[in-house]
Amino acid sequence: DVKVTQSSRYLVKRTGEKVFLECVQDMDHENMFWYRQDPGLGLRLIYFSYDVKMKEKGDIPEGYSVSREKKERFSLILESASTNQTSMYLCASSSTSGGSYEQYFGPGTRLTVT
Amino acid sequence: KQEVTQIPAALSVPEGENLVLNCSFTDSAIYNLQWFRQDPGKGLTSLLLIQSSQREQTSGRLNASLDKSSGRSTLYIAASQPGDSATYLCAVRNTPLVFGKGTRLSVIA
Repeated sequence: DVKVTQSSRYLVKRTGEKVFLECVQDMDHENMFWYRQDPGLGLRLIYFSYDVKMKEKGDIPEGYSVSREKKERFSLILESASTNQTSMYLCASSSTSGGSYEQYFGPGTRLTVT
Repeated sequence: KQEVTQIPAALSVPEGENLVLNCSFTDSAIYNLQWFRQDPGKGLTSLLLIQSSQREQTSGRLNASLDKSSGRSTLYIAASQPGDSATYLCAVRNTPLVFGKGTRLSVIA
């Protein structure tokens, strides 16, 4: 079974803090994604990566950055957290092999910025 | 730009009913379509993936169909159970995935 893990289920941070959200997958997937999910807005793509050290902006990259130094790990960084970044953050991964691209999700991190 | 719509936004049915959830998309040039389930406060669980060349996929009581030319997919749930209560999302892959906002299903015992 594919496993995608996220470093925290719940996180509370203060405005202005630097926040790191970690995601690790154990299936040697090439592709990794970060989304945020908000009521009424659905899932929105923040950043994604198709390979180590590669990154692509999604629909809402402002205020975020990412790092992918190893294939299995994809980090989302909030440089200076703000209250409008309070949200559920979801990480996902998928494989290019076989052309499936089936996407697997982690359990999510509920981030509250006060 | 691809847009994915799911109707209805919420659905409540008595236990045992067969039901259909709908998903429509505006750009038929998709690689595949994926249905997910999400329980409150949790991540997404992949239910079914239909490649663009396929018409349907089945898993247990679930059957998903795809009609690319009309931009539609349906998720059929047979003999619904209270444990099926969740939000169901569909997503289509151009590059990358584009999600609908989901249908919140409640199955009443």
